[in-house]
Amino acid sequence: QKEVEQNSGPLSVPEGAIASLNCTYSDRVSQSFFWYRQYSGKSPELIMSIYSNGDKEDGRFTAQLNKASQYVSLLIRDSQPSDSATYLCAASGSARQLTFGSGTQLTVLP
Amino acid sequence: DAGVIQSPRHEVTEMGQEVTLRCKPISGHDYLFWYRQTMMRGLELLIYFNNNVPIDDSGMPEDRFSAKMPNASFSTLKIQPSEPRDSAVYFCASSTGRSSGANVLTFGAGSRLTVL
Repeated sequence: QKEVEQNSGPLSVPEGAIASLNCTYSDRVSQSFFWYRQYSGKSPELIMSIYSNGDKEDGRFTAQLNKASQYVSLLIRDSQPSDSATYLCAASGSARQLTFGSGTQLTVLP
Repeated sequence: DAGVIQSPRHEVTEMGQEVTLRCKPISGHDYLFWYRQTMMRGLELLIYFNNNVPIDDSGMPEDRFSAKMPNASFSTLKIQPSEPRDSAVYFCASSTGRSSGANVLTFGAGSRLTVL
């Protein structure tokens, strides 16, 4: 079983809608969580990091963490076609490396 | 800073040939990571270094793969001999050792390897 699980999608939402991306992790030692965005043919780029239970907002993006349920989510409000990409969830424990999920492909329809 | 620099961006080679991928991390970053990305397996960690010392190479698929970091500004990932199943995008990433930036990886543009 992969340590970080994501729905592979594809997920399609209309422009202006809220996109909800979900991720679960199996290692209770995990302390830090990240959402990366990867456009086709490009490298992953960091969108959000979250370390504590609750919500963290940055512009149109909100990351949510629930350590008891081992669940991380990313909400994208007012989705734009430029948000169309693969979103990678990643977790890290006491060691420095990140374990990535397989990614959710998001398409925002104009 | 120019970010993480990888070369070559694209490499096409024949089975059995040696492949060397290169990476220059962000100046001042203490950690360097090599990841491999394929459609089937996603983004997998191969090896990572801290202050030029390999810390965890458990992700290196087999002895055909080797990685070195002779100094703080340069690392190589070598595959010898290469096989078609090694075809993938290889990413190098670096991060700072400071707690405020711990585990925040900055990726290079990647090296797309095709082994025929």
